Amino acid sequence: SQWGEENLQALSIQEGEDVTMNCSYKTYTTVVQWYRQKSGKGPAQLILIRSNEREKRSGRLRATLDTSSQSSSLSITGTLATDTAVYFCATHHNNAGAKLTFGGGTRLTVRP
Amino acid sequence: EAAVTQSPRNKVTVTGGNVTLSCRQTNSHNYMYWYRQDTGHGLRLIHYSYGAGNLQIGDVPDGYKATRTTQEDFFLLLELASPSQTSLYFCASSDGWGGNYAEQFFGPGTRLTVL
Repeated sequence: SQWGEENLQALSIQEGEDVTMNCSYKTYTTVVQWYRQKSGKGPAQLILIRSNEREKRSGRLRATLDTSSQSSSLSITGTLATDTAVYFCATHHNNAGAKLTFGGGTRLTVRP
Repeated sequence: EAAVTQSPRNKVTVTGGNVTLSCRQTNSHNYMYWYRQDTGHGLRLIHYSYGAGNLQIGDVPDGYKATRTTQEDFFLLLELASPSQTSLYFCASSDGWGGNYAEQFFGPGTRLTVL
């Protein structure tokens, strides 16, 4: 799982497989956002899940949030080679204005 | 979709040199951010701003200044560049106020090398 200044995690899977990436955070958060960064590009948001939601779906993506364990996950079903990217979770804290704090990221490689 | 552009895309300077990185967003967002990204790490917030003339300190501000001249333009200044500032820099913008958890839109990045 990723958080804070932890080194980048890495996963390598075969196209068509499902994958789950995990994120844990240290302080209470109201929102978790998941971002994807493809090689040579800036990050782009995939999905946002709020503290009053346990699960959020968007196409092949499913995000979960467990405030009791301070953790979130992002699952991708039926991965494609084009899902190869680095995935970041980012948390938003009530007393931090518009600041997001990003985790260390998970490098996902999907082999065709 | 939000458009965030950065210039230059690549920059090489020497230790002690002055560098200005530029960012422009054309979506009328009120928040803008500067991040650095180092190999194997996530994004770390340097400075951010919620409007022209405003500046907020981020998590890793040492050695950096920033200035928001207009709603569209946000600049990052390195007045005495050091090799430790070699990094990939991203600018982002969002429409978020406190309590409105808006998506951040990122530019393509500027790769800075300090020799």
